[in-house]
Amino acid sequence: GAGVSQSPRYKVAKRGQDVALRCDPISGHVSLFWYQQALGQGPEFLTYFQNEAQLDKSGLPSDRFFAERPEGSVSTLKIQRTQQEDSAVYLCASSLGLTGNQPQHFGDGTRLSIL
Amino acid sequence: AQTVTQSQPEMSVQEAETVTLSCTYDTSESDYYLFWYKQPPSRQMILVIRQEAYKQQNATENRFSVNFQKAAKSFSLKISDSQLGDAAMYFCAYRSAFGGSQGNLIFGKGTKLSVKP
Repeated sequence: GAGVSQSPRYKVAKRGQDVALRCDPISGHVSLFWYQQALGQGPEFLTYFQNEAQLDKSGLPSDRFFAERPEGSVSTLKIQRTQQEDSAVYLCASSLGLTGNQPQHFGDGTRLSIL
Repeated sequence: AQTVTQSQPEMSVQEAETVTLSCTYDTSESDYYLFWYKQPPSRQMILVIRQEAYKQQNATENRFSVNFQKAAKSFSLKISDSQLGDAAMYFCAYRSAFGGSQGNLIFGKGTKLSVKP
């Protein structure tokens, strides 16, 4: 596709349920990032993939958060046993290469609301 | 660890006028990149302008320009001839030049810009 695609756009779940958020990066982009954006805040880094390898997961807030990119393209962010504090917008970004000067292209995000 | 600070939670500008958004950052690295992103209500982060720290010349993209003061660790965004479509949240962001797993963006808390007709 032309841009980064995220689905669903909105997700409402009850506390304790598991959710899965999908990111389809720009074709050919090697690097993929997940960010969490709480209401009224800037995005915060969660995890980074280089192709299928998850090279940095230092930003994941707990072991309930899990991300994968098995074939080096589509990525899924999974949250188990959701809590109210997980409510946020989850943004995915991809970039073409590995160096810092490659711009990151963002999707529209998934707004997750935990009731 | 690197930090980015935006001290103006909200700003307002009259249509066709000029506005400057402030950003300061803290880092011990000598080489890095700085960005301004725009986030309208649609939530998509749109890259406005980018500055490489090793370049002394300030970046310019049409009506958008930056004032990069490396010694002061300051990176302000100037929007000239403001338009109604410029209304959005603006985020300043830092990225290490090393890229890879160090290439994640570090964002400030944002400035909400309103444009008055």
